[in-house]
Amino acid sequence: DVQLLESGGGLVQPGGSLRLSCAASGFSFGSYAMNWVRQSPGKGLEWVSTINDSGDTANYADSVKGRVTISRDNSNNTLHLQMNSLRAEDTAIYYCAKDHVYGEVFDVWGQGTLVTVSS
Amino acid sequence: DIQMTQSPSSLSASVGDRVTITCRASRPINNYLSWYQQKPGKAPRLLIYITSSLQSGVPSRFSGSGSETDFTLTISNLQPEDFATYYCQQSYSDQFTFGPGTRVDLK
Repeated sequence: DVQLLESGGGLVQPGGSLRLSCAASGFSFGSYAMNWVRQSPGKGLEWVSTINDSGDTANYADSVKGRVTISRDNSNNTLHLQMNSLRAEDTAIYYCAKDHVYGEVFDVWGQGTLVTVSS
Repeated sequence: DIQMTQSPSSLSASVGDRVTITCRASRPINNYLSWYQQKPGKAPRLLIYITSSLQSGVPSRFSGSGSETDFTLTISNLQPEDFATYYCQQSYSDQFTFGPGTRVDLK
């Protein structure tokens, strides 16, 4: 089975940092671009970041650019999201999502990890 | 950035109904439009990509159409498991954006 399992969420104070991870299994991880998408409580979906299959190209939403870094470890089938200078508006469930073979479409999603930014 | 809107924001329907949800992009997106279904407490599920391509395992009662800026998701013969929130998403620009969602609930 294709699976994505996020971890690393939790409560953090404004201005703090957090590193999310996503463990992938059941597919050739290094062959696909990967993504982070978030959802604030009771709200809609917001794309956060994408990294290409080799890990040398990344793209970020304007709302997180300069504060967030996406990375991947293809030898360990793991995706990461380093989040710094966190704000209350970053509070959300963070999902990792696999690119469809077609590209730039999210065909497999993890269950999400909750990040709460509050003092 | 390309802004996505959806209408209606919510609708009530009965099992067996035909349901249509509209998504509009603020500028042409060359059919780079996908649809997702999300149920409460669950991750989204891909239904349709490139406007009208049905994702593997998705029932054929789901269909998509449209072009340029206007797109439609149709659910024919609505089933109990289809009551959920539906989101469109464009992947034409390098800033991917989702619509605000349309909630489909039981009349």
